[in-house]
Amino acid sequence: DGGITQSPKYLFRKEGQNVTLSCEQNLNHDAMYWYRQDPGQGLRLIYYSQIVNDFQKGDIAEGYSVSREKKESFPLTVTSAQKNPTAFYLCASSPRRGSTEAFFGQGTRLTVV
Amino acid sequence: SQKIEQNSEALNIQEGKTATLTCNYTNYSPAYLQWYRQDPGRGPVFLLLIRENEKEKRKERLKVTFDTTLKQSLFHITASQPADSATYLCALRDNYGQNFVFGPGTRLSVLP
Repeated sequence: DGGITQSPKYLFRKEGQNVTLSCEQNLNHDAMYWYRQDPGQGLRLIYYSQIVNDFQKGDIAEGYSVSREKKESFPLTVTSAQKNPTAFYLCASSPRRGSTEAFFGQGTRLTVV
Repeated sequence: SQKIEQNSEALNIQEGKTATLTCNYTNYSPAYLQWYRQDPGRGPVFLLLIRENEKEKRKERLKVTFDTTLKQSLFHITASQPADSATYLCALRDNYGQNFVFGPGTRLSVLP
């Protein structure tokens, strides 16, 4: 059953702690993306990766980091430097960057307590 | 500055009617425009893509139009059903950038 899986669905973090969100896809897609969604706002791009061992900053990369050591995995770390980390985080993939369709995971809701 | 706007945050319509959602953009020259459906607490699901040289695209009860002069796309759901209730997002990309940029979405409620 092909798809893109994010875990966990809900995550709570204390202020000052780093936390890593998981994103795995078995669609054999080259490109992967991380978005942040806040109420009343569109999805904002945090990081994207076109190929293994390569990734680029999106519009709001400050306070986040990523890695792309395997084609199927693109984890996102929310660091303590991110001032307002509470949000809904979405991972997506596409066959390649610029493809006309993206496939999204189910999202991770991160809450800082 | 560049901006994507979608009509009113929420839209309520009666079952069986046609729902029309708008996506307006400023300071973009999109080559592609997508529409996605998003249910609460879930990721968006791709519905349709329309290219700048296409005026209209249809898929079952869905129809999308793209007017590059008005800088607007319209998304229609005919014979709407309560199951169509969701948030609908538009996203656009130009020929230079390789990433899609998303609008804020419109929450549609179809009332039985």
